[in-house]
Amino acid sequence: KAGVTQTPRYLIKTRGQQVTLSCSPISGHRSVSWYQQTPGQGLQFLFEYFSETQRNKGNFPGRFSGRQFSNSRSEMNVSTLELGDSALYLCASSPPLTGETQYFGPGTRLLVL
Amino acid sequence: AQTVTQSQPEMSVQEAETVTLSCTYDTSENNYYLFWYKQPPSRQMILVIRQEAYKQQNATENRFSVNFQKAAKSFSLKISDSQLGDTAMYFCALSSSNTGKLIFGQGTTLQVKP
Repeated sequence: KAGVTQTPRYLIKTRGQQVTLSCSPISGHRSVSWYQQTPGQGLQFLFEYFSETQRNKGNFPGRFSGRQFSNSRSEMNVSTLELGDSALYLCASSPPLTGETQYFGPGTRLLVL
Repeated sequence: AQTVTQSQPEMSVQEAETVTLSCTYDTSENNYYLFWYKQPPSRQMILVIRQEAYKQQNATENRFSVNFQKAAKSFSLKISDSQLGDTAMYFCALSSSNTGKLIFGQGTTLQVKP
């Protein structure tokens, strides 16, 4: 099976802009989770989607949003970018049951100038 | 609140030797899952091993094994016959049965020396 794919892999934006990141899960996986990785804060959970519904949400401001489509592909959006949003954004997919292993994509590296 | 702590920011080991990475966690859940992931310089997060809390037997995957001490809330990873390709950052992670959210530790950078 093909792994989790994320596009784009690298992105440079300026403060105030918005950005949309995309994630395609492993075929058959219906749960998609997003994580932010920074040197200072480490790996932090953003949100999880299952069957087009947000199932869990982390402690991030409303500028961070996401959605999932009927084919399980997911997008996350960050509006009004801040310098602190510079990070590696990781997407992970898993089978429907909670506790199942999450398989990660290669990440999108976002730099905000 | 669930927490995961890795107290060793950096470790090194000689090729072919054995190394143990430590992890402690805290959760009020009875049913939960523990993971070790590795993240090499490519930044791709790769599953190393998974342990269900209800299973007493320690998980093993080839050269990788865990020492799961449920009462002590400890979950260490042992890497035997270390190889240069094991050089990476290793993350311990926890998820409960009622959420798909992974809580990660701060990571341990492992350097395998030739």
